[in-house]
Amino acid sequence: GNSVTQMEGPVTLSEEAFLTINCTYTATGYPSLFWYVQYPGEGLQLLLKATKADDKGSNKGFEATYRKETTSFHLEKGSVQVSDSAVYFCALSDPSNTGKLIFGQGTTLQVKP
Amino acid sequence: GAGVSQSPSNKVTEKGKDVELRCDPISGHTALYWYRQSLGQGLEFLIYFQGNSAPDKSGLPSDRFSAERTGGSVSTLTIQRTQQEDSAVYLCASSLAGLAHNEQFFGPGTRLTVL
Repeated sequence: GNSVTQMEGPVTLSEEAFLTINCTYTATGYPSLFWYVQYPGEGLQLLLKATKADDKGSNKGFEATYRKETTSFHLEKGSVQVSDSAVYFCALSDPSNTGKLIFGQGTTLQVKP
Repeated sequence: GAGVSQSPSNKVTEKGKDVELRCDPISGHTALYWYRQSLGQGLEFLIYFQGNSAPDKSGLPSDRFSAERTGGSVSTLTIQRTQQEDSAVYLCASSLAGLAHNEQFFGPGTRLTVL
C-alpha cells in the first residue's frame, strides 16, 4: 500500500544551521507530495508541494525536490531560525485522485538561539 | 476569509458515551476530509466527502464511527460508545476539489479525551 516514512526526531539545531529532514514514500501511480507544518499552538498548514517528478517546491526558505528515482522528497533549509521550531509532516496524496493524504509520522524540529 | 472551523475545541467524555464533532469548511470548498492525530498512530485519514458523491469511508476504524455532510457544507463526525483508544485530536480539512494536487486547509482540531 501507499506509505510515507520520515526521519524520526526530535531534531535540535542551532540558529543558522542547515536543515535536512528525510522523507521517502511508497506509492502506486504518481502521487503529489507535500510538506505540512504544525507550529506550536497552531493548526496544520501547507509549507510546500510538488506535483510531478523533478518539481521543486519552495516556501519561506524551505525547499524539497520530487525525486521519482529515489522515491524521496527531502526537506531542506539553508539557515534555520528559532521561529522554524515546529513539527513537520511529509505527505502524499493518494493516487486514486481523491486527494486524501497519507502522512509520515512527523519530525519535531527545535531551533535554539 | 474565514478558515475551517471546528467545534468543540475540547471534549471530555466517559467511556461508552456518544460524541459529535462538527466541522465548517471554507465556503466554496467541495471536498471535505476528516483525519485523526494520535500519539500512537500519527495522522491518519478517516473519511472524505466530495460534492454529492458517495463518501470514501475507507479510513474509518470501526462501525462506531460515522460521518455525514449536510447540504454540501457542514460535516459531523459521530463516535458511538466511545472507547479510551478513541482519544485523539480530530482534524477536519477542506479543499476546492478532491484532486491530488490541491492544498488542504485544516481546522484547529477537536481534542477528544475518553475517560
